[in-house]
Amino acid sequence: AQSVTQLDSQVPVFEEAPVELRCNYSSSVSVYLFWYVQYPNQGLQLLLKYLSGSTLVKGINGFEAEFNKSQTSFHLRKPSVHISDTAEYFCAVNRRGGANNLFFGTGTRLTVIP
Amino acid sequence: ETGVTQSPTHLIKTRGQQVTLRCSSQSGHNTVSWYQQALGQGPQFIFQYYREEENGRGNFPPRFSGLQFPNYSSELNVNALELDDSALYLCASSQTGTGAQPLHFGNGTRLTVT
Repeated sequence: AQSVTQLDSQVPVFEEAPVELRCNYSSSVSVYLFWYVQYPNQGLQLLLKYLSGSTLVKGINGFEAEFNKSQTSFHLRKPSVHISDTAEYFCAVNRRGGANNLFFGTGTRLTVIP
Repeated sequence: ETGVTQSPTHLIKTRGQQVTLRCSSQSGHNTVSWYQQALGQGPQFIFQYYREEENGRGNFPPRFSGLQFPNYSSELNVNALELDDSALYLCASSQTGTGAQPLHFGNGTRLTVT
């Protein structure tokens, strides 16, 4: 079984400041890792994914994440946030070789303050 | 390229009633997954359909059922509605049913059970 912990339910940050959203996972098997973003009244949009290879993954809108196997973490970062980044962010895992059923964390609400 | 579309966008039902939610997958995608997102929570996997067959199921009771049609569109049916079924129901499609494929989400159907 897999589980995902997003350590911060809310993260306020000033515009143009850097941000890190934390994600830790637990799994008895190898996993794929994802970050999704959800804007108000919308579905989820893929930000980035880690399947294999380089542990630093770059995504859309200037976001990146680093896979750390020893710490079972997949933290999301952005060097300079914009007002438009205000949204809910979800970390998710999927078992390698299994069906496409993502297991999501409870989300982190990022609020960018002008 | 047409994205994932869901209907209706909002729905109000009474406890004990039945409801059907509909989803059209993104063109070129043969796999559809359904998720339930309660307020303030991450999405939870209900089930997945691949080529008209159920291809995985989460921890939901049998009163949650589904269908996939030859054109890969899908329905989610919920019988004997309970108050706790109030949630945002998200449909997602992918090119295959494997875990490496990112999911493309619709904007969801907001179901309220009174």
